Amino acid sequence: AQSVTQPDIHITVSEGASLELRCNYSYGATPYLFWYVQSPGQGLQLLLKYFSGDTLVQGIKGFEAEFKRSQSSFNLRKPSVHWSDAAEYFCAVGRSISNFGNEKLTFGTGTRLTIIP
Amino acid sequence: DAGVTQSPTHLIKTRGQHVTLRCSPISGHKSVSWYQQVLGQGPQFIFQYYEKEERGRGNFPDRFSARQFPNYSSELNVNALLLGDSALYLCASSLGRGRGAFFGQGTRLTVV
Repeated sequence: AQSVTQPDIHITVSEGASLELRCNYSYGATPYLFWYVQSPGQGLQLLLKYFSGDTLVQGIKGFEAEFKRSQSSFNLRKPSVHWSDAAEYFCAVGRSISNFGNEKLTFGTGTRLTIIP
Repeated sequence: DAGVTQSPTHLIKTRGQHVTLRCSPISGHKSVSWYQQVLGQGPQFIFQYYEKEERGRGNFPDRFSARQFPNYSSELNVNALLLGDSALYLCASSLGRGRGAFFGQGTRLTVV
């Protein structure tokens, strides 16, 4: 069964500083990997996804993530954070459950990001 | 274009009651999935429907059921509500495998 670990429950960074959120996954085959962001009381917004090919993936809002198979990691990065980036971030691994439809997503427990001025 | 829309946004129910949550996918998306997010945790997969048929089910009791209509909208039904069913229920739609899933704003269910 697939699983996702986000080791950092809460991270605080200064506005303008760089950011890296960690994600480790467990999955027997080549994974589909995702990062989502959730603002308080809101749904999830897809930041980026990895299915195959280039291991460095660019997403929205200036985020990127790098897939490292040898480390079973898919860390999210941003070179300079903005106050509006404060939110909960979820890493997810997707597994096909049928020949139809999209992947079943297994989420980590999330990392809460706080930005200080 | 409208995103995934869910209704209602908030709901308060009493233990033992039944609830129906509704989801309209993004236009053209035929796949709808439901997730439960308990406070402080990541979402947990409940169901997936594609072309009106159930394609996957998570580890939830039979009190949970769902269906998808010909216009690809979907309903999630929960019978005999328990306090532990209090959560944010998220609906996601997708064009299919490898396209990513797009989530609605969720329905906040409180069981008292």
